[in-house]
Amino acid sequence: NAGVTQTPKFQVLKTGQSMTLQCAQDMNHNSMYWYRQDPGMGLRLIYYSASEGTTDKGEVPNGYNVSRLNKREFSLRLESAAPSQTSVYFCASSELIRTDTQYFGPGTRLTVL
Amino acid sequence: KNEVEQSPQNLTAQEGEFITINCSYSVGISALHWLQQHPGGGIVSLFMLSSGKKKHGRLIATINIQEKHSSLHITASHPRDSAVYICAVRYSGAGSYQLTFGKGTKLSVIP
Repeated sequence: NAGVTQTPKFQVLKTGQSMTLQCAQDMNHNSMYWYRQDPGMGLRLIYYSASEGTTDKGEVPNGYNVSRLNKREFSLRLESAAPSQTSVYFCASSELIRTDTQYFGPGTRLTVL
Repeated sequence: KNEVEQSPQNLTAQEGEFITINCSYSVGISALHWLQQHPGGGIVSLFMLSSGKKKHGRLIATINIQEKHSSLHITASHPRDSAVYICAVRYSGAGSYQLTFGKGTKLSVIP
């Protein structure tokens, strides 16, 4: 089992460019999450998907869109990247949304120039 | 805004020492998580607890619901324990699907 995988591992963008971060899990989990981690701050939730076919905003959704493509995959899109979106992005999954342990991917380090 | 406070922010210990990391939160919760972030960046869940105490190997997590406080203890610390330890809580209430994370405690264990 690979667990939670993310691509790419590193990315450099120019302001205004767009990109999609990919996430997949092979644990048959219902719920998936996208977080960002910035220096000196705790992990912050961008979007989550409680189950296949549903997505909801988290704490910091502005500038991002998500797609729950199927039960395995949850992608995060930056339509017009800004320097403030320079961060490390983590995808996570859990069996259920309310009570379960979350399993994290390895992260994507994104720099927006 | 509900906060999760961790202390200390940084901790340096000699190999073999007993280590305590603290976490406090402001309102009622349904669950508290302890996570470990390795120097390479990967994040692993260590414990999820809502009451009492849990133990896994040299790691012990306790929670005091009345005092809104949790501790993570590491016995006989080892350099491989060097990591950032993160506390996260799920606040009580309908629709509380999000975890609120602390800023982490960076632990360095010196041989």
